[in-house]
Amino acid sequence: DAGVTQSPTHLIKTRGQQVTLRCSPKSGHDTVSWYQQALGQGPQFIFQYYEEEERQRGNFPDRFSGHQFPNYSSELNVNALLLGDSALYLCASSTGQGNSPLHFGNGTRLTVT
Amino acid sequence: EDKVVQSPLSLVVHEGDTVTLNCSYEVTNFRSLLWYKQEKKAPTFLFMLTSSGIEKKSGRLSSILDKKELFSILNITATQTGDSAIYLCAVAGRAGNMLTFGGGTRLMVKP
Repeated sequence: DAGVTQSPTHLIKTRGQQVTLRCSPKSGHDTVSWYQQALGQGPQFIFQYYEEEERQRGNFPDRFSGHQFPNYSSELNVNALLLGDSALYLCASSTGQGNSPLHFGNGTRLTVT
Repeated sequence: EDKVVQSPLSLVVHEGDTVTLNCSYEVTNFRSLLWYKQEKKAPTFLFMLTSSGIEKKSGRLSSILDKKELFSILNITATQTGDSAIYLCAVAGRAGNMLTFGGGTRLMVKP
């Protein structure tokens, strides 16, 4: 049973560039959430997708956008990269109902130079 | 705004010691509190607590929630080097599964 998978594992970008990160949820899960974890801090909620729509959004600028596909996989896009966007980006999946715990992927380490 | 504070920030113990990690929170419309262990990358789920006073237990790990005082503790008995990790506490407030995380407690267990 495949867990949450993310790609790529590492990425180096230059300020001003754009980046796309990808996530496949755990089998049986239909909800995908994205979190940003800066070094030495806890993860911060970016947004959540359910039924191909953004259901909730955290305190992140519009440079952060996402998409969910009919097979429940998801993408996170970040435009006009800033040095401060350097972080571990974690994808988490869950079922859309009730209080089910999130299952996390191994993340994508993004470095902006 | 929901808020989670964990203490201590870091902890160094020796194998066999017992540790207690703390998590206090402020959240609108509390739904649940969760504990995760993060070793290298992916946080792995440990416990979800929704009711006050009921201890959740898994092997040497246990956790309890106090909804009146707005805190939770995670206990690890007979610690092993494999327990070395960052332990994250998170709360779910508004509808949906959005979690607000604390900054984590970094635990190092020395042989």
